Amino acid sequence: DVKVTQSSRYLVKRTGEKVFLECVQDMDHENMFWYRQDPGLGLRLIYFSYDVKMKEKGDIPEGYSVSREKKERFSLILESASTNQTSMYLCASRAGTVTYEQYFGPGTRLTVT
Amino acid sequence: ILNVEQSPQSLHVQEGDSTNFTCSFPSSNFYALHWYRWETAKSPEALFVMTLNGDEKKKGRISATLNTKEGYSYLYIKGSQPEDSATYLCALNAGNNRKLIWGLGTSLAVNP
Repeated sequence: DVKVTQSSRYLVKRTGEKVFLECVQDMDHENMFWYRQDPGLGLRLIYFSYDVKMKEKGDIPEGYSVSREKKERFSLILESASTNQTSMYLCASRAGTVTYEQYFGPGTRLTVT
Repeated sequence: ILNVEQSPQSLHVQEGDSTNFTCSFPSSNFYALHWYRWETAKSPEALFVMTLNGDEKKKGRISATLNTKEGYSYLYIKGSQPEDSATYLCALNAGNNRKLIWGLGTSLAVNP
């Protein structure tokens, strides 16, 4: 079974803090994704990576950066957390092309106060 | 801007009812269509990935059809059970990149 794990289920941070969200997958997938999910807005893609050290902006990259130094790990970084980044963050991974399914982690509920 | 629309937004059915919902997308842009089920407090899980017009896929009591010419996919649940209660998401890949475009989902509640 593919397993995608995220470092925290719940996280509370203060405005202005630098926040790291970690995602690890154990199936050697080339592609990894970071989404945020907000009520009424659905899943929105923040960044994705199709190979080590390769990244591409999604639909809402502002205020975020990512790092992929190893194939199994994809980190989302909030450089200076703001209250409008309070959300559920989901990591996913996928083998091969878009005809393959995505596997999701359990999500991190981030609250910025 | 490509848009994926799902209807209805929410649905309440009784246990044993069969139900279906729709995912609509621009027919001129199609490469693959995904269906996922997202239960509360769990991760989204893939149900189907469909690529060919006329495709029909089935997993247990759940099945899906695809019409790429008219730009829609139907998801059917036969004999709904309370454990089917979840949000059902569809997502489109338009072929020009690696990303999926997600619908807002249909929230299904099955009453025992």
